[in-house]
Amino acid sequence: AQSVAQPEDQVNVAEGNPLTVKCTYSVSGNPYLFWYVQYPNRGLQFLLKYITGDNLVKGSYGFEAEFNKSQTSFHLKKPSALVSDSALYFCAVSSPTGANNLFFGTGTRLTVIP
Amino acid sequence: NAGVMQNPRHLVRRRGQEARLRCSPMKGHSHVYWYRQLPEEGLKFMVYLQKENIIDESGMPKERFSAEFPKEGPSILRIQQVVRGDSAAYFCASSPGQANSPLHFGNGTRLTVT
Repeated sequence: AQSVAQPEDQVNVAEGNPLTVKCTYSVSGNPYLFWYVQYPNRGLQFLLKYITGDNLVKGSYGFEAEFNKSQTSFHLKKPSALVSDSALYFCAVSSPTGANNLFFGTGTRLTVIP
Repeated sequence: NAGVMQNPRHLVRRRGQEARLRCSPMKGHSHVYWYRQLPEEGLKFMVYLQKENIIDESGMPKERFSAEFPKEGPSILRIQQVVRGDSAAYFCASSPGQANSPLHFGNGTRLTVT
């Protein structure tokens, strides 16, 4: 069975500093990995995905994520945080052999401090 | 707005009543997914449907919950005889069905059972 873990419930970072939101995964075979962001009272918005190819994936709003197979991780990063990046971030995985449904982590609340 | 449309945005039901949640997928999308989000938790997969077919309902409670996606009209998530524990945000997502295409989420229906 596939699953993801987001070890941090909350991440605080000062505006302008780099940010990292952590995610590790467990899946049979090669994983398909995703990051989504959720703003208050809204649905999830797609940020980026890793299917195959380069381990560094670039996505929306200046975010990127690095796939590390040996560490089974897919951490989300941004070089310089903005206050508007404050939101709930979800890592998700789908199985390449199964249906296209996603399995989500429990989320990490990012707060960027002005 | 060509996005995923969910209605109602807020639904209040007394214990024992029925709740019907509707989801119209994005134009051109034939795959629908329902997720439930409890406060301070991640999204839990419930069911994955294509037109007139349930593909994966492994996340659906065995009793009181049902889902459909008819040939015409929106997808419906139905909860019979609601209990307080059903109070949550229910999100619908859609995709065109290609392998690992991102899911597009609606803004959710917040169900409150009193």
